[in-house]
Amino acid sequence: NAGVTQTPKFRVLKTGQSMTLLCAQDMNHEYMYWYRQDPGMGLRLIHYSVGEGTTAKGEVPDGYNVSRLKKQNFLLGLESAAPSQTSVYFCASSYSSPGRAYEQYFGPGTRLTVT
Amino acid sequence: AQKVTQAQTEISVVEKEDVTLDCVYETRDTTYYLFWYKQPPSGELVFLIRRNSFDEQNEISGRYSWNFQKSTSSFNFTITASQVVDSAVYFCALRRTGRRALTFGSGTRLQVQP
Repeated sequence: NAGVTQTPKFRVLKTGQSMTLLCAQDMNHEYMYWYRQDPGMGLRLIHYSVGEGTTAKGEVPDGYNVSRLKKQNFLLGLESAAPSQTSVYFCASSYSSPGRAYEQYFGPGTRLTVT
Repeated sequence: AQKVTQAQTEISVVEKEDVTLDCVYETRDTTYYLFWYKQPPSGELVFLIRRNSFDEQNEISGRYSWNFQKSTSSFNFTITASQVVDSAVYFCALRRTGRRALTFGSGTRLQVQP
């Protein structure tokens, strides 16, 4: 049981390049999330998904796109990377139940540097 | 709007000392959930506890304990007899019922010196 995994662990991009971060979970969770962590700011939600084929914007969605074609995978795309997107990106997943908030399980993170 | 404040940016203690990490939250909702996560130097986030707004009972798990006080909008975390392995960044987070996002505080870095 691997939990939540993220690929790659590290990446360096040049401004304007594109890339996709892959998140996979094997816990059969309905919900999946992408966060970014910047120094001194905690984690902020970029996009999330409540099920296969559905996505929604979070707190800081600009410059990112996401897709959830399979229940176990959640992809985060940067179409044209900018230095402001230098950050550590975390994927998370959780169960769902009406009226109840389950804890989110996080992946190990991807450290992205945009030069 | 909702907000989570962890006023202590960094705390340094000597092993075996007790330490309390403060968390103060703001929300207009009457129903919500509070969480604590640990981020060790390796970088992953580890879930520690979830508390809903209807349950004000304090909780103890080994050397960890949590004090939830709705009257002061606080959800503080105490480590008793700290150990070097407790060195990490600790995050408090809030989630509104029916919402998906966690609102995180900025974290408290705890350093436990041997």
